[in-house]
Amino acid sequence: QVQLQESGPGLVKPSETLSLTCSVSDGSISDPFYWGWIRQPPGKGPEWIGSFYRSGSTQYNPAFKSRATISRDTSRSYFSLRLTSVTAADTAVYYCAKTGVRCTSASCALYVPYFYSYVDVWGKGIMVTVSS
Amino acid sequence: EIVLTQSPGTLSLSPGERVTLSCRASQTVPSNSLAWYQQKPGQPPSLLFYGESGRATGTPDRFRASGSGTDFTLSISRLEPEDLAIYYCQQYHNSPGTFGQGTKVEI
Repeated sequence: QVQLQESGPGLVKPSETLSLTCSVSDGSISDPFYWGWIRQPPGKGPEWIGSFYRSGSTQYNPAFKSRATISRDTSRSYFSLRLTSVTAADTAVYYCAKTGVRCTSASCALYVPYFYSYVDVWGKGIMVTVSS
Repeated sequence: EIVLTQSPGTLSLSPGERVTLSCRASQTVPSNSLAWYQQKPGQPPSLLFYGESGRATGTPDRFRASGSGTDFTLSISRLEPEDLAIYYCQQYHNSPGTFGQGTKVEI
């Protein structure tokens, strides 16, 4: 089973950029699934930030407007999240995730709901606190 | 955006009791686009059910998911001590996929 592991700083100052990396093992981001980031503020439910398909197509939750960027390095099998202009409201546990929907056609690779489908593999999560 | 409202917020029960958790959607969600998760303290959520009738590997038989339209239910036939957790529903019919705020089951 594929395994995911988040890494990055646990403390970020307000107005700065949050940068996290997800390492993928026993699998590849070139596999026909969707891969992305989900966060969970303390005491709240999870929230999709965005995800991508192996073709490079990426979708972002409009709640993050243009602050979020997901990039990937297929050769090294990892992907990253950058979230700019952070505030205390961005304090959360950040998870990298793999969805369970398998997509092997060009049409499903563009079906937007699949980018936010159910998650069958979660990283352990990393707590990020935004504070000066 | 579809809002999922889960009720009750917290349930305090005893082992062996039957549990029924509710997830209500602000718009119709096809049953093939709803999932349930279990989150134990200090762990990421773990998939229980997905799609029309998908049961994730390792989901005990005492768990059952049902519902349609805007009302969905997760039930546990006989509560076990290891079922202490927060349970979340998620829809992936509309973009962006959304999660409920969770129901905490205390034992």
